[in-house]
Amino acid sequence: DAGVIQSPRHEVTEMGQEVTLRCKPISGHDYLFWYRQTMMRGLELLIYFNNNVPIDDSGMPEDRFSAKMPNASFSTLKIQPSEPRDSAVYFCASSVGGGNTEAFFGQGTRLTVV
Amino acid sequence: KNEVEQSPQNLTAQEGEFITINCSYSVGISALHWLQQHPGGGIVSLFMLSSGKKKHGRLIATINIQEKHSSLHITASHPRDSAVYICAATEWDTDKLIFGTGTRLQVFP
Repeated sequence: DAGVIQSPRHEVTEMGQEVTLRCKPISGHDYLFWYRQTMMRGLELLIYFNNNVPIDDSGMPEDRFSAKMPNASFSTLKIQPSEPRDSAVYFCASSVGGGNTEAFFGQGTRLTVV
Repeated sequence: KNEVEQSPQNLTAQEGEFITINCSYSVGISALHWLQQHPGGGIVSLFMLSSGKKKHGRLIATINIQEKHSSLHITASHPRDSAVYICAATEWDTDKLIFGTGTRLQVFP
C-alpha cells in the first residue's frame, strides 16, 4: 500500500477563494482523521470519521470548514471562504481502529492563503 | 495548562550521546503515542504504548501510568535523528489524540 495520500502537497490561494484538500486513506483502515498544524497551536484534531461517518467535528474551527467522506477510500476537507489565518499544514491520517491503534499520516498539505 | 506537556522544547546533542525526551499528561488515557516529524513535514508513528516499555532499534519508549509520564530515549544518537518528536495521548473517554507541542532535536556530528 502506498500509505495515506494527500493532495495537493502545496496550495496557495487568495483570501475568499474556496480550497479543497483531498485524502486517500490506507485500504482497510476504518478511521480517518483530519489535523491542522500551526506554529502557534501545534497539531490539532479537526474532525474524524469511522466507517465514513463523522464522529467528532468539535475541532472544526468555524462553519467555513467542512469535511466529507463519501466512501472508504476518499475524504475532502473544504474551506470556503478561505482566510489568511487558515494558513497551516493540514494532515490526514488513518488507522485500523481509533486512538488505540497506530496512526498513519499523509505527507500533509501546506496551505497558504494570501 | 496543556493537557500534554513535553520537555525539553529544544535539545541539541553530539553524535553518540544518549537522549531523553519527557512527556507528562494530566488526562486519563488509553494509549500514548510518540511521533517523529522531519524537516519537510512528514509525520511517522514511532511507538504506541499503554504500559511498560517498547524498543525499536536505538529507540526506547517507556510509560508510567501511575505517574502519568512517558519518556522517549535515543541511544547512540546520530545526525539523522534530528527531527521534532511529538508525544500524543489518546483520551480514554473520547478516543481522540491530544498532542504535546513537540521537542526539536538537533544532533551534530
